[in-house]
Amino acid sequence: AQSVTQLGSHVSVSEGALVLLRCNYSSSVPPYLFWYVQYPNQGLQLLLKYTSAATLVKGINGFEAEFKKSETSFHLTKPSAHMSDAAEYFCAVSSRDSNYQLIWGAGTKLIIKP
Amino acid sequence: EAQVTQNPRYLITVTGKKLTVTCSQNMNHEYMSWYRQDPGLGLRQIYYSMNVEVTDKGDVPEGYKVSRKEKRNFPLILESPSPNQTSLYFCASSPRPGLAGGEQFFGPGTRLTVL
Repeated sequence: AQSVTQLGSHVSVSEGALVLLRCNYSSSVPPYLFWYVQYPNQGLQLLLKYTSAATLVKGINGFEAEFKKSETSFHLTKPSAHMSDAAEYFCAVSSRDSNYQLIWGAGTKLIIKP
Repeated sequence: EAQVTQNPRYLITVTGKKLTVTCSQNMNHEYMSWYRQDPGLGLRQIYYSMNVEVTDKGDVPEGYKVSRKEKRNFPLILESPSPNQTSLYFCASSPRPGLAGGEQFFGPGTRLTVL
């Protein structure tokens, strides 16, 4: 069965520092991978997705993620954090094994310190 | 504008009083789903629908009902709400399964409080 693990329910970084949110997945078949962001009091919005094209995926608001098959990882990064990045971030995986339903990680709340 | 809409956005009710949360999408998506979000528990799927008249249970279906009579609508029904159903609810839709890897589009959420 597929699963997603997000390391750290809360991650705190200073404004201007590197953001790194970790996501590891398990899948016996080629996966699709997603990062969604949820700003306070809002719904979920797609940040970026991996669909078996380029392994380095660029998303909105300066975020990017790299698919590493050997490490079964899809970590989310941003070179310089901004106060507006404070939100909860969810990693998700899908494949033909899940009938393309999204399997969700538990989420990581990103806190930006001024 | 392509979107998923939910109504109401906020609802406070009392135990046992039947309620319906509506969900509608204008993207002609085949797949629709309901989630609940609780602190520390992430997103948990309640029910989903692969197409009209096709629904199935997710991870936490107890106490909920759904129907899919038309492609665009997927209402969530709580026949006898209880306080443990106090939560933030999201509706989502997706094109035909397998297309775009299952990317889902979310509604704005409904915050339900059951007293």
